Amino acid sequence: QVQLQESGPGLVKPSETLSLTCSVSGGSITSYYWNWIRQSPEKGLEWIGFISYSGSTNYNPSLKSRVSISADSSKAQFSLNLISVTAADTAVYYCARDTGVGDGFDIWGQGTMVTVSS
Amino acid sequence: ETVLTQSPGTLSLSPGERATLSCRASQRVSNNYLAWYQQKPGQAPRLLISGASIRATGIPDRFSGSGSGTDFTLTISRLEPEDFAVYYCQQYSRSPLTFGGGTKVDVK
Repeated sequence: QVQLQESGPGLVKPSETLSLTCSVSGGSITSYYWNWIRQSPEKGLEWIGFISYSGSTNYNPSLKSRVSISADSSKAQFSLNLISVTAADTAVYYCARDTGVGDGFDIWGQGTMVTVSS
Repeated sequence: ETVLTQSPGTLSLSPGERATLSCRASQRVSNNYLAWYQQKPGQAPRLLISGASIRATGIPDRFSGSGSGTDFTLTISRLEPEDFAVYYCQQYSRSPLTFGGGTKVDVK
């Protein structure tokens, strides 16, 4: 079955760029919508954005100026870049799949904690 | 953006009791694009219900969802020990996709 796994640094300095990768096993990313979601005690669950099977993207307006999501279908991976991070970006970051047919986020990665601190 | 307000914040119940969780949207959720998730400590959210009332694969039938428009409900007919967790609603009707603040169901 399809599984997702996030990877990347657990500590990022303020003003630097947070970069995470989600590896998809057991399936391809040439279908569906591939999302990033984060969770913090302060903001709860917050949708960051997605990249679709066709490469189109959609971002949360609250983060749009700082975020980009890209994909590498040959590696079955998609990635998140968040620039100019502050302590407010400290959160658990999840990747998740949306089939795009009204099913919600049906598969999630286990999540990775990212702390922004000097 | 569509704000989702969940109530109550905490629900204290005993195993075997019925749990009723509410999710109210600040604007109409079209196509009933409303999902419910369960989250346990240290785990990712798990999809329970999509389309307001459709159970996800493998979800027991004690979980049911209902509602339309701006008012939605998740019902757990008889709480099992493994059901004590935090529950979130989420709308995917319009961007940005948004989540409610959660309802914690804990043991009375």
